[in-house]
Amino acid sequence: DTGVSQNPRHKITKRGQNVTFRCDPISEHNRLYWYRQTLGQGPEFLTYFQNEAQLEKSRLLSDRFSAERPKGSFSTLEIQRTEQGDSAMYLCASSTGSGQNYGYTFGSGTRLTVV
Amino acid sequence: GENVEQHPSTLSVQEGDSAVIKCTYSDSASNYFPWYKQELGKRPQLIIDIRSNVGEKKDQRIAVTLNKTAKHFSLHITETQPEDSAVYFCAATKYQFYFGTGTSLTVIP
Repeated sequence: DTGVSQNPRHKITKRGQNVTFRCDPISEHNRLYWYRQTLGQGPEFLTYFQNEAQLEKSRLLSDRFSAERPKGSFSTLEIQRTEQGDSAMYLCASSTGSGQNYGYTFGSGTRLTVV
Repeated sequence: GENVEQHPSTLSVQEGDSAVIKCTYSDSASNYFPWYKQELGKRPQLIIDIRSNVGEKKDQRIAVTLNKTAKHFSLHITETQPEDSAVYFCAATKYQFYFGTGTSLTVIP
């Protein structure tokens, strides 16, 4: 286990299509986070899980977005009816908890382009 | 929620000079303040962090200071090198990270 793995690295989709991204965290990390980053901006928090429980969702996460972490290991982020404004880098991160973000590590991201 | 502001947005320095980037945060519950370096097309990489019970931390040419009372923290890079050129992000967190808008640092050889 060498880090946080995200698939695919790149995704080009037509507007209106659904897309799903996957994140495999570092195996001993119980917290998993999704962020969105657009060009020239810092990553924006979308949602986070502690084990399988989704504890917080940002207002950025519209009803077209859904994230799951069914077994407390990998997570998926689905975007339905994609719009051009969804084009961004989607970053996943994981950490171990106990109130402190130990070992917080980002994946390489999935770059989504909606045409 | 937390609000993190970062300044300046762009910074150019001559090689060998120092660079300072400043961030402020709003939520006094934030207790961890990392700094990330991001090169074009790559993931953010942690370069240094500081916890709320510490006022200053150094790692070779990089240092971070934290003033909890004023809710601001700063990144200091000394003896800058061209390979330091990148976008730097600060963040404040208790659980999820809230990032600043980034500083594009250019080190001129």
